Amino acid sequence: NAGVTQTPKFQVLKTGQSMTLQCAQDMNHEYMSWYRQDPGMGLRLIHYSVGAGITDQGEVPNGYNVSRSTTEDFPLRLLSAAPSQTSVYFCASYGETQYFGPGTRLLVL
Amino acid sequence: DAKTTQPTSMDCAEGRAANLPCNHSTISGNEYVYWYRQIHSQGPQYIIHGLKNNETNEMASLIITEDRKSSTLILPHATLRDTAVYYCIVRARISNFGNEKLTFGTGTRLTIIP
Repeated sequence: NAGVTQTPKFQVLKTGQSMTLQCAQDMNHEYMSWYRQDPGMGLRLIHYSVGAGITDQGEVPNGYNVSRSTTEDFPLRLLSAAPSQTSVYFCASYGETQYFGPGTRLLVL
Repeated sequence: DAKTTQPTSMDCAEGRAANLPCNHSTISGNEYVYWYRQIHSQGPQYIIHGLKNNETNEMASLIITEDRKSSTLILPHATLRDTAVYYCIVRARISNFGNEKLTFGTGTRLTIIP
């Protein structure tokens, strides 16, 4: 039981590039979500999903897309990276409590 | 979800009890109080949650006032490894999917002093 895993751990992008942050969980949780955390700030919700095929926007969804084709995976896509998206990204899944992944540190130049 | 108010920072001597307060005066009847902590940019870690009764587990105790407008997280014997940012959030149980737009505030930065 690996819990919530995220890849990559660290990524550098140039402005305008695209990439996908991967998130997977092996706890059969229906509910998953993506957060971003900027330096010295709390976590802000980007997108969430209440089950396969169902996604919805959180507090800061602009510039990000998500999909949920399986219960296990919930990837986050940046279609055209901007410096304002430099942040640490956390994926979480929910059972009785929330379990967070280790995070992906993204730097957009 | 109800908003929460926490002090920005606190210090506590090693071995003493750390008491972290949280105000949530607009909490609804179906909302729980959850506590998480984040150690040096790792993913947040669940600590404890409760509805209206006091709760205790192997990590901490949670005291919720009778009117549910505030709560206190207690780490009974703080160690240096408890240095972290502690987040208090209130939300409905996850089974009530509804409009789950959770927001973590800036939390309380707890520093354990040797």
